[in-house]
Amino acid sequence: SQQGEEDPQALSIQEGENATMNCSYKTSINNLQWYRQNSGRGLVHLILIRSNEREKHSGRLRVTLDTSKKSSSLLITASRAADTASYFCATALRGNTPLVFGKGTRLSVIA
Amino acid sequence: DVKVTQSSRYLVKRTGEKVFLECVQDMDHENMFWYRQDPGLGLRLIYFSYDVKMKEKGDIPEGYSVSREKKERFSLILESASTNQTSMYLCASSPRGAYQETQYFGPGTRLLVL
Repeated sequence: SQQGEEDPQALSIQEGENATMNCSYKTSINNLQWYRQNSGRGLVHLILIRSNEREKHSGRLRVTLDTSKKSSSLLITASRAADTASYFCATALRGNTPLVFGKGTRLSVIA
Repeated sequence: DVKVTQSSRYLVKRTGEKVFLECVQDMDHENMFWYRQDPGLGLRLIYFSYDVKMKEKGDIPEGYSVSREKKERFSLILESASTNQTSMYLCASSPRGAYQETQYFGPGTRLLVL
């Protein structure tokens, strides 16, 4: 079964609104990462949050991590049409094993 | 900037053909990865490599092999392509000892097997 599961699967919002997507995972992690994928392209790394961190910011992005609930959220503030993409969380499990990616949230920002 | 390139954006092959997908990175990264991405299934790891000539199986290695003869190049080989290997293939790299750090992805190869 999937280690990281994003929720919702799809999200549609108006330009200027905030977008929040969530990632839940099952086992202890070293870090959790968020990636963006524009349609038909490769993934681009957005932000990495380590297990001892609770919140990180990067521009209009805010990521939180709650290890007690085994969940993370990605908030995109003041969304733009260019934010339309799929967003994936990836978890780094304890031990030196490769990242495990979720299935993604498809975000549509309507101008 | 890290650059990861893949040899083709789109590829059409016949069932039974031998297919080579090439990936090259220019940042002297030790780790390289091959994923396939299918609707509803997300990214699944096929193989990865942490050094030249070294390879490790990922979650779905069946039907695939890999080659890493040079540090910058990681090839994915479909020995005898089948229709169920129609997919988007993504290559990624990351620095030494850092399977779990940021991965840098190529643009992807969309493979259609007829």
